[in-house]
Amino acid sequence: KAGVTQTPRYLIKTRGQQVTLSCSPISGHRSVSWYQQTPGQGLQFLFEYFSETQRNKGNFPGRFSGRQFSNSRSEMNVSTLELGDSALYLCASSTGLAGVKDTQYFGPGTRLTVL
Amino acid sequence: EDQVTQSPEALRLQEGESSSLNCSYTVSGLRGLFWYRQDPGKGPEFLFTLYSAGEEKEKERLKATLTKKESFLHITAPKPEDSATYLCAVQAGGGSNYKLTFGKGTLLTVNP
Repeated sequence: KAGVTQTPRYLIKTRGQQVTLSCSPISGHRSVSWYQQTPGQGLQFLFEYFSETQRNKGNFPGRFSGRQFSNSRSEMNVSTLELGDSALYLCASSTGLAGVKDTQYFGPGTRLTVL
Repeated sequence: EDQVTQSPEALRLQEGESSSLNCSYTVSGLRGLFWYRQDPGKGPEFLFTLYSAGEEKEKERLKATLTKKESFLHITAPKPEDSATYLCAVQAGGGSNYKLTFGKGTLLTVNP
């Protein structure tokens, strides 16, 4: 079974621009979660999508948004980029089924650098 | 608020020198505790899930254990290829809360 894939792997943007990152989950997985990883803060939860609906949201500003498509693929958008948005953005997928002991599997990440 | 603390932050071992990594947590209603391994520039790789106190799981040189307040990742006779950052995460709460709260990780270096 193919793992979680993320595109692009690397991005360089300038302040004020916006960016869209993409994530394709493991086949059969309906939940996609996004995390931001920085050296100072570690891994922090951004949001989770299940069946095209945002089910959970972390403590990030509204500049960070996402969506999920009917095939469970997900995109994450960051508008008006700031220097502090430079990070590794990780996507994780799981079955997401309620009452099921579930494990999240991570993709390789997208390294975003904001200049 | 859920909290996860890992110690030590960094650990250097000689090949064959066994040790343990610690993950202590404060959560309301633990649903699962997860261990991941992360190599530089890559996404976390799943290792173990533990669901209840007293549970243990093993994989090659790694063994994870869980109590009501902490988890240990025991590394027996480590090899240089075990060098990585080991991350602990908890999933807590009820309903549709599936988010993972991560610790900052332990950077393990195993010297030959």
